[in-house]
Amino acid sequence: GAVVSQHPSRVICKSGTSVKIECRSLDFQATTMFWYRQFPKKSLMLMATSNEGSKATYEQGVEKDKFLINHASLTLSTLTVTSAHPEDSSFYICSAPPTSGQETQYFGPGTRLLVL
Amino acid sequence: GESVGLHLPTLSVQEGDNSIINCAYSNSASDYFIWYKQESGKGPQFIIDIRSNMDKRQGQRVTVLLNKTVKHLSLQIAATQPGDSAVYFCAENDYGNKLVFGAGTILRVKS
Repeated sequence: GAVVSQHPSRVICKSGTSVKIECRSLDFQATTMFWYRQFPKKSLMLMATSNEGSKATYEQGVEKDKFLINHASLTLSTLTVTSAHPEDSSFYICSAPPTSGQETQYFGPGTRLLVL
Repeated sequence: GESVGLHLPTLSVQEGDNSIINCAYSNSASDYFIWYKQESGKGPQFIIDIRSNMDKRQGQRVTVLLNKTVKHLSLQIAATQPGDSAVYFCAENDYGNKLVFGAGTILRVKS
């Protein structure tokens, strides 16, 4: 149980385009999901908390207009990188607690974004 | 701000030996900690967790030790196998169920 999937696993796009990444909880409902960013050989950095039915909460320094988050249902959250630039190239990972309020988070497999 | 950090960035062990990965945390109010394993190109995988009202917790081949006095966390892996090679992160549960990750330790298992 507690499986989280992401799509796509890899994406290459041109500078200036927008990219949407999906995060799905496959066998549980998640009112809250988290989006992280990870650079090579670095740790995970929390970008935002995605809340079903309300606005996402962004961490300090993360541009909300740049990284649009939509928690469309209890099993789906999307992250859209708008007007992507090469510096947005990174590994994006989502996570979700399998039970509402539970502290343990299970992570998706990640999405590798390369902006040319 | 508060942070979670690791002492050793890289750990090399011989197959079959025990591995010990260390983590120091600075938020004395933290009451929940998790160890994750991350293989190259994949998302973190939950290994084991521990609450602050415990000093030790055991899983299959893994043990987590918590020393609240010195704010230190460790992950012990028994009989380390090549498949254990990965990056290991400790994480601290922050307020609002947010996780704060340490820098990570690379574990290399030599056959």
